[in-house]
Amino acid sequence: AQSVSQHNHHVILSEAASLELGCNYSYGGTVNLFWYVQYPGQHLQLLLKYFSGDPLVKGIKGFEAEFIKSKFSFNLRKPSVQWSDTAEYFCAVTKNSGGYQKVTFGIGTKLQVIP
Amino acid sequence: NAGVTQTPKFRVLKTGQSMTLLCAQDMNHEYMYWYRQDPGMGLRLIHYSVGEGTTAKGEVPDGYNVSRLKKQNFLLGLESAAPSQTSVYFCASIQQDRVNTEAFFGQGTRLTVV
Repeated sequence: AQSVSQHNHHVILSEAASLELGCNYSYGGTVNLFWYVQYPGQHLQLLLKYFSGDPLVKGIKGFEAEFIKSKFSFNLRKPSVQWSDTAEYFCAVTKNSGGYQKVTFGIGTKLQVIP
Repeated sequence: NAGVTQTPKFRVLKTGQSMTLLCAQDMNHEYMYWYRQDPGMGLRLIHYSVGEGTTAKGEVPDGYNVSRLKKQNFLLGLESAAPSQTSVYFCASIQQDRVNTEAFFGQGTRLTVV
């Protein structure tokens, strides 16, 4: 079955620590990759996306992600987290499936940043 | 340009009651989706639509019905609410263009069934 796996379900970091959240997918062929962020009580917002080209993608708020095709991975990174980064992060993959864009989300990773 | 708008934002239902959640998008997107978000389970697809007049089942369709009579609106119905349907519901829309498949989300509807 096609799936998106996020390895860390709950991460606790101190401010200024570096962050890396893992995401692997099991689709073959061409896919589009996304990271969404959901701040407490809010809806999902796009953090960054990869369609093609440079596999290192830079998003908003200092986040970046690297697409490694051979590893089917799209890990999210930030060199120095802030308290305001406390949120839940979802990796998502879209793939054309039977004529429509199938969107599959990972289970999410809750990030708690301690001041 | 409002993007994706969901109504209502909050609702409490008694078991057995019915209700309809409305999702409206003003971006002329072809694809629309209804997800439910539950702790530890991420977002699960309930139903989706690839265009006006079409609907299809997603991962967890039981207990829900949908309709897409107009391209801009995607309705999610609960005919007889159950406590297991207590959740946060998100609507999303995606442009049909295969190059740009970014999903835009509504603000969510927090539903409690007692």
